[in-house]
Amino acid sequence: GESVGLHLPTLSVQEGDNSIINCAYSNSASDYFIWYKQESGKGPQFIIDIRSNMDKRQGQRVTVLLNKTVKHLSLQIAATQPGDSAVYFCAVETGANNLFFGTGTRLTVIP
Amino acid sequence: DADVTQTPRNRITKTGKRIMLECSQTKGHDRMYWYRQDPGLGLRLIYYSFDVKDINKGEISDGYSVSRQAQAKFSLSLESAIPNQTALYFCATSDFSPASTFADTQYFGPGTRLTVL
Repeated sequence: GESVGLHLPTLSVQEGDNSIINCAYSNSASDYFIWYKQESGKGPQFIIDIRSNMDKRQGQRVTVLLNKTVKHLSLQIAATQPGDSAVYFCAVETGANNLFFGTGTRLTVIP
Repeated sequence: DADVTQTPRNRITKTGKRIMLECSQTKGHDRMYWYRQDPGLGLRLIYYSFDVKDINKGEISDGYSVSRQAQAKFSLSLESAIPNQTALYFCATSDFSPASTFADTQYFGPGTRLTVL
């Protein structure tokens, strides 16, 4: 099986600072990792993904880092803005049609 | 218009009632999914469908059934609703990628908040 957990249920950052949200997974066979953002009253929205043959991937203001050795995934948001306030969660695919979601970290951006 | 729509957005029902939640998508994706979200838990997969003739059970399918009426429509039914099925339900779609089973972006609907009394 797989278990996916985030390290902190809540995170508060000052506007303009960088945010780091972490996720740990248990199955070393996991091969695809996704970060989602969920705003209040809305469905999850894809942010960025990474496959197990990579250790870093960058998007617009976001970077995902994958450390397969310790089975750890992080999402970095640069220059955090008020619009970034949401719940962020990771999802981990382990093949065999299994996708497991973490419980989420609520990011609050302080103006 | 939204790419993935869900109806109803909110529903309150009583124990023992049959409930149907509907999902429609205009993205042209073959793959559709139903999840439930509970406080303190991650999204959990109920059922998924990779095409009109393909239906698969997810992690927590007991007490639920689905119907894939067309490529664009995937409905979830609770045959006899019970209080522990109170949750937020999400439909999602995705395109096919040979590199991954669930792969690529899953596009989620806005959710249906279901309360079973």
